[in-house]
Amino acid sequence: SQQGEEDPQALSIQEGENATMNCSYKTSINNLQWYRQNSGRGLVHLILIRSNEREKHSGRLRVTLDTSKKSSSLLITASRAADTASYFCATAPFGGNKLVFGAGTILRVKS
Amino acid sequence: NAGVTQTPKFQVLKTGQSMTLQCAQDMNHEYMSWYRQDPGMGLRLIHYSVGAGITDQGEVPNGYNVSRSTTEDFPLRLLSAAPSQTSVYFCASSYSGERGARYEQYFGPGTRLTVT
Repeated sequence: SQQGEEDPQALSIQEGENATMNCSYKTSINNLQWYRQNSGRGLVHLILIRSNEREKHSGRLRVTLDTSKKSSSLLITASRAADTASYFCATAPFGGNKLVFGAGTILRVKS
Repeated sequence: NAGVTQTPKFQVLKTGQSMTLQCAQDMNHEYMSWYRQDPGMGLRLIHYSVGAGITDQGEVPNGYNVSRSTTEDFPLRLLSAAPSQTSVYFCASSYSGERGARYEQYFGPGTRLTVT
């Protein structure tokens, strides 16, 4: 069974708008990671947030983590057509060594 | 560095055939893993390894075997291919063996497998 569940499944926005994707998970975690996958390619790591962190920034990316609600969000500000991709959250469960991925959010940025 | 490489890129098999998907990394990473990706289901962990000689099962290990004789290579063997194994397969690696899942994963480009 999957640990992380992304919401929405698909998102379509105009260039310049912000995109927000959410991830929920079920068990205690060591950290949560976000990845991007362009069509037909492998996944690329975007950002990692540890369980004792609440917010992290990297360029136009902002990730929040709420361990009490077992949820995370990824915000992409001022989106560009090149941001069109699938975005996945992945959780490293506390005490385990298996990274578990969610089903992903498909983001389309229209120019 | 080439990073994580996978061969072949595409493969078509008939039901019952066996084959090996190759994965290699040149970053001296201890942790390596295999995932399969199916539409609408994200990535599911097949097998993983925390170092040479050590492997363990993931979420969907049935029908697959792995071995890890060197740090660099982590091949995935399909014993008797079935249509349900039609998927895209990704290999990944990261720093640290025992806690490898807690670190950034470096993914290969994938192998698209079709079983008829």
